[in-house]
Amino acid sequence: VQLVESGGGVVQPGRSLRLSCAVSGFSFSSFPMHWVRQAPGKGLEWVALTSYDGRKTYYADSVKGRFTISRDNSKDTLYLQMNSLKSEDTAVYYCARGGTVVVISTVVDYYMDVWGKGTTVAVSS
Amino acid sequence: SYEVTQPLSVSVALGQTARLTCGGNNIGSEHVHWYQQKPGQAPVMVMYRDNKRPSGIPDRFSGSNSGNTATLTISRVQAGDEADYYCQVWDSITVVFGSGTKVTVL
Repeated sequence: VQLVESGGGVVQPGRSLRLSCAVSGFSFSSFPMHWVRQAPGKGLEWVALTSYDGRKTYYADSVKGRFTISRDNSKDTLYLQMNSLKSEDTAVYYCARGGTVVVISTVVDYYMDVWGKGTTVAVSS
Repeated sequence: SYEVTQPLSVSVALGQTARLTCGGNNIGSEHVHWYQQKPGQAPVMVMYRDNKRPSGIPDRFSGSNSGNTATLTISRVQAGDEADYYCQVWDSITVVFGSGTKVTVL
């Protein structure tokens, strides 16, 4: 099982960036996927979640309306489109495979069972 | 939104037992998951659904969850257990992480 993030870099405030996460070693289309970030010297901050088929997405309040999580199951790839970037978006961005707890065909819990190594995004003028 | 609290740091002597707590309002009714992060590395899941160990995680790691406190216990602590540990819950629409506990092995 492998998750490899790419697309990070230095970007000016207000600009856009798209991150990718290429996966291998498991059936990508069967798992929900997350983006989690970590600002320098800070703790983990969850960013976004997509269901296995992309039909359901969830976002942290801090990125809602600016970031979009999506996936291409034909390419085994997860994306994070980041618009209107701010300095506080500077962080290492991790993609993670989602684990679930299902009760009577309903997902009632999500966690992250496998993580990528991360890609660094620096927002600076 | 739901909040969880973790102590900033825990110090434990080599070979002793470390107990890391994650507090939240009636957290015992939620599933709690735990992640270990060593400096410069990505997080690794060490416990899920309160007390289930992923494959490859030693049985020195155990978990419990009741009332307002979930606990990750590390028995016979080794130098390699020194890391930041984060608890996590699902808040129906968002993932919530604790602020993390730094474990120092003396």
